[in-house]
Amino acid sequence: NAGVTQTPKFQVLKTGQSMTLQCAQDMNHEYMSWYRQDPGMGLRLIHYSVGAGITDQGEVPNGYNVSRSTTEDFPLRLLSAAPSQTSVYFCASSYSYRGGKGEQYFGPGTRLTVT
Amino acid sequence: GNSVTQMEGPVTLSEEAFLTINCTYTATGYPSLFWYVQYPGEGLQLLLKATKADDKGSNKGFEATYRKETTSFHLEKGSVQVSDSAVYFCALTLNTGNQFYFGTGTSLTVIP
Repeated sequence: NAGVTQTPKFQVLKTGQSMTLQCAQDMNHEYMSWYRQDPGMGLRLIHYSVGAGITDQGEVPNGYNVSRSTTEDFPLRLLSAAPSQTSVYFCASSYSYRGGKGEQYFGPGTRLTVT
Repeated sequence: GNSVTQMEGPVTLSEEAFLTINCTYTATGYPSLFWYVQYPGEGLQLLLKATKADDKGSNKGFEATYRKETTSFHLEKGSVQVSDSAVYFCALTLNTGNQFYFGTGTSLTVIP
């Protein structure tokens, strides 16, 4: 198993540009999520999905869109990049959100800089 | 609401010293508790977990006990190594919920 994969690893955008961060998992996990990691703030949940076709907002959803057309893929779209979106982005998946017992598996992260 | 509070870092220890990283939580339901570790340049990895009160999670010499009476899940290791240098995150998820809540992370540096 490749686990959770993310592309690209690094990205530099200009203000106003759009892009999609890719995330895929090959573990048949129901639950997938996107976090951003900023110094001193830990991980903050952007969006999550509990299954194909179902998504919901997390703590900091503004400026980001997601969709979940398949179990495997959960792309994160930045609609119009802003310097405040400079961060490290992590995708994570879990076998099931039910019961609260399933740990999350994290991808290696995408380091995004918006100038 | 639901939240996790970790001790502030950074923490610097000499090799073979005893480690404690404090974690307390607030939860609206019955949580499962986790410690994750992040090595430089990598994603988070599960270190250990506990799913009910008084459970002890353990892995690689690290331990944490789920204490419902004090709403705590402190991470301990008896003798740290240079290779333990990383950022440690405490986290919870509710048995009836669909979100994970992370603390802000504690950076640990172990010097030879």
